[in-house]
Amino acid sequence: DTAVSQTPKYLVTQMGNDKSIKCEQNLGHDTMYWYKQDSKKFLKIMFSYNNKELIINETVPNRFSPKSPDKAHLNLHINSLELGDSAVYFCASSPQSGNTIYFGEGSWLTVV
Amino acid sequence: AQSVTQLGSHVSVSEGALVLLRCNYSSSVPPYLFWYVQYPNQGLQLLLKYTSAATLVKGINGFEAEFKKSETSFHLTKPSAHMSDAAEYFCAVSGEAGNQFYFGTGTSLTVIP
Repeated sequence: DTAVSQTPKYLVTQMGNDKSIKCEQNLGHDTMYWYKQDSKKFLKIMFSYNNKELIINETVPNRFSPKSPDKAHLNLHINSLELGDSAVYFCASSPQSGNTIYFGEGSWLTVV
Repeated sequence: AQSVTQLGSHVSVSEGALVLLRCNYSSSVPPYLFWYVQYPNQGLQLLLKYTSAATLVKGINGFEAEFKKSETSFHLTKPSAHMSDAAEYFCAVSGEAGNQFYFGTGTSLTVIP
């Protein structure tokens, strides 16, 4: 059983398209995250949700919109994709007080 | 505010040699500190974490890290490197709130046969 699962794992799409990445966790955690990892392996937090409420929203273009229908799901929608959006996007979750983050396997996004 | 600094973006060691990956933290409160490993084309996996129970923390795959408050360090070590240890290693810090979680810039470990 995968603890944090995200789909799709690989996504190749053209500039200007709109795409979504889905994430689900079956750990019962209250907090979920989206991280972006660039080609230099830098990990940058994008969003954090706690019990469906947005609590961290770093400086991210508003083309990126997270949606949390319930505390087990946090989806990432990206409008008008640009070449610079090419990266690996990681979903993660943590218990509210446990302070360990559990990562999904990543979604490799390539914009051409 | 919390942050971590990883010294050395690339480290190469010979197989069987000591692995030492450096991490220094900055935190205004007692921190939670973590080391994660990322194998090629995979997600991040927790190696170990420090939560103030003991200054020497043992993790998976023979890795350990020592919390040194006087040096604000949390370096990762392994006595003998294996080829399978080649990966990207990330140090991370979290405050008591748990919602703020910051990663270092990563250290790529190469193991030479």
